[in-house]
Amino acid sequence: QKEVEQDPGPLSVPEGAIVSLNCTYSNSAFQYFMWYRQYSRKGPELLMYTYSSGNKEDGRFTAQVDKSSKYISLFIRDSQPSDSATYLCASNPFNAGGTSYGKLTFGQGTILTVHP
Amino acid sequence: KAGVTQTPRYLIKTRGQQVTLSCSPISGHRSVSWYQQTPGQGLQFLFEYFSETQRNKGNFPGRFSGRQFSNSRSEMNVSTLELGDSALYLCASSPDGRSGNTIYFGEGSWLTVV
Repeated sequence: QKEVEQDPGPLSVPEGAIVSLNCTYSNSAFQYFMWYRQYSRKGPELLMYTYSSGNKEDGRFTAQVDKSSKYISLFIRDSQPSDSATYLCASNPFNAGGTSYGKLTFGQGTILTVHP
Repeated sequence: KAGVTQTPRYLIKTRGQQVTLSCSPISGHRSVSWYQQTPGQGLQFLFEYFSETQRNKGNFPGRFSGRQFSNSRSEMNVSTLELGDSALYLCASSPDGRSGNTIYFGEGSWLTVV
């Protein structure tokens, strides 16, 4: 079993829709949760970052972490065609010493297409 | 502020050859991590360097190696290339490799092994 599971989709929505992207994780030591966006043939771009449980909002994006159920979510409001990309969730305990330095554990990525 | 720079962007190699990829981190960042991305396995951690020392390593064979220089620039090397090594190789930099909100990726190096 992978430590971070993510439905690869693909997910196709009309412009203006609310998008919900989700991941589950199994490692209880995970404390830091990130969402990256990756456009075709580009490197991942850090989108949102959350520490421990709770919500974080940035413009049209909301990241949510529920540590009790080991569930990570990213919501995109008023989705735009420019949001079409692969979305990757990632996590790391960072406080676990040497085995965590610089290492992010990623989900498989969800391919999102927002059509006009 | 310049981002993470990786060279070369694209390269084609033959089975059995070796390849060296280069990464220049964001100015002031001392931690450099390398990842391999493939359609089947997704993004997988290769190793992390900080102040010229490898601090962390993923589950890859010894054919994959790396190093970091005193200016924090890093290189990774893959020897005796196999077809399965075809992938996007990504470099990520951060100030110390210990903060989730400061890990930034480069555009990657696309390696094709034929």
